[in-house]
Amino acid sequence: GAVVSQHPSWVICKSGTSVKIECRSLDFQATTMFWYRQFPKQSLMLMATSNEGSKATYEQGVEKDKFLINHASLTLSTLTVTSAHPEDSSFYICSASSQLAGDLSSYNEQFFGPGTRLTVL
Amino acid sequence: KNEVEQSPQNLTAQEGEFITINCSYSVGISALHWLQQHPGGGIVSLFMLSSGKKKHGRLIATINIQEKHSSLHITASHPRDSAVYICAPTRGSQGNLIFGKGTKLSVKP
Repeated sequence: GAVVSQHPSWVICKSGTSVKIECRSLDFQATTMFWYRQFPKQSLMLMATSNEGSKATYEQGVEKDKFLINHASLTLSTLTVTSAHPEDSSFYICSASSQLAGDLSSYNEQFFGPGTRLTVL
Repeated sequence: KNEVEQSPQNLTAQEGEFITINCSYSVGISALHWLQQHPGGGIVSLFMLSSGKKKHGRLIATINIQEKHSSLHITASHPRDSAVYICAPTRGSQGNLIFGKGTKLSVKP
């Protein structure tokens, strides 16, 4: 299957700092990228959906000014956690899909990155 | 009621056993993923299917759209199959996934 990378794989930062996480599709063009968060022993939760060249769509309860998403190219999306606090400590995972946006007949598989474990002290 | 229900939540099996994990969902979907998450957190997409049955090695996935039910089967289970298996139906025009709580499988040698 297609390969998606994330960087960094783990990060420890001080409260109040910002952290940027990169998600790259290595061997395909990702029209859509998804960002998820997973707290310990809980299910994955979708944070936002981003399409290349347009603003991300955030799920209810996710602060768009705190979690900045940039999908600048068909192979790269970034998630920046601004002014991080200990409660933001979590496992952040991205996935990428080459689905044609809005085309209900062409659902394509999502390929997941390895995740980034964020610890905010 | 959760939109996606998986059973069982936990499963312990002996090496070689045939394993079935079930998933029922209450929303209209076009496709469904089965995902595998290892203890380190990494997620692998095992299958995406919208009808019938798919097979990959020792893994088989089936789906019945009318009954809103899918199953994942593992034949000749092995300790390396130990992981959390997650059912994730696809919803919406963007292909958003909704996640089950997962089934934690432990295969003993």
